[in-house]
Amino acid sequence: QSVLTQPPSASGTPGQRVTISCSGSSSNIGSNYVYWYQQLPGTAPKLLIYRNNQRPSGVPDRFSGSKSGTSASLAISGLRSEDEADYYCAAWDDSLKVFGGGTKLTVL
Amino acid sequence: QLQLQESGPGLVKPSETLSLTCTVSGGSISSSSYYWGWIRQPPGKGLEWIGSIYYSGSTYYNPSLKSRVTISVDTSKNQFSLKLSSVTAADTAVYYCARHEKWEPPDYWGQGTLVTVSS
Repeated sequence: QSVLTQPPSASGTPGQRVTISCSGSSSNIGSNYVYWYQQLPGTAPKLLIYRNNQRPSGVPDRFSGSKSGTSASLAISGLRSEDEADYYCAAWDDSLKVFGGGTKLTVL
Repeated sequence: QLQLQESGPGLVKPSETLSLTCTVSGGSISSSSYYWGWIRQPPGKGLEWIGSIYYSGSTYYNPSLKSRVTISVDTSKNQFSLKLSSVTAADTAVYYCARHEKWEPPDYWGQGTLVTVSS
């Protein structure tokens, strides 16, 4: 059972802006950095956002992260068909339940 | 560029021990800044943290798996390893090795290796 709660699914049309939420508690999001990953079928998770809102080199600026209190969100603007994937939030928790349950994003 | 590569048997019999090794290249496993972890993902399911190790040998494990998990490090080979004992079908998963800073999720991942538990 994940301690970080994400909606199981999200969708949008090409060009649209979508957001994916991640809700936690004071023991994880509230006191630690939030990371976001994109996972395409059959591949390893790819780091999209680290330390709440930082993008690794090579990640388009269409992807952005934010955090407020015990919640965080990932925003994807200018949605593209190749953005269809599973997205996971993550934040350290002493229970080692670090990852959210994942959100499947469908591009309609 | 840092790279991590998992290796080990893809098929393990029930009740036996799963053993995997992660080879790190493009960086030193003895870096004081990083921990090295194992994460798994059952088919069609989410990610589960198994445990992590520091180059000094200090470890921490997921409480739900702690009784069956051993993670070790070999700094001379730039490798770290996972052993999971008494496996069942529920341990069938893609196993990833990863790098992370203390109290933070991973920034680098291996490509993952599927381990199936079946007789």
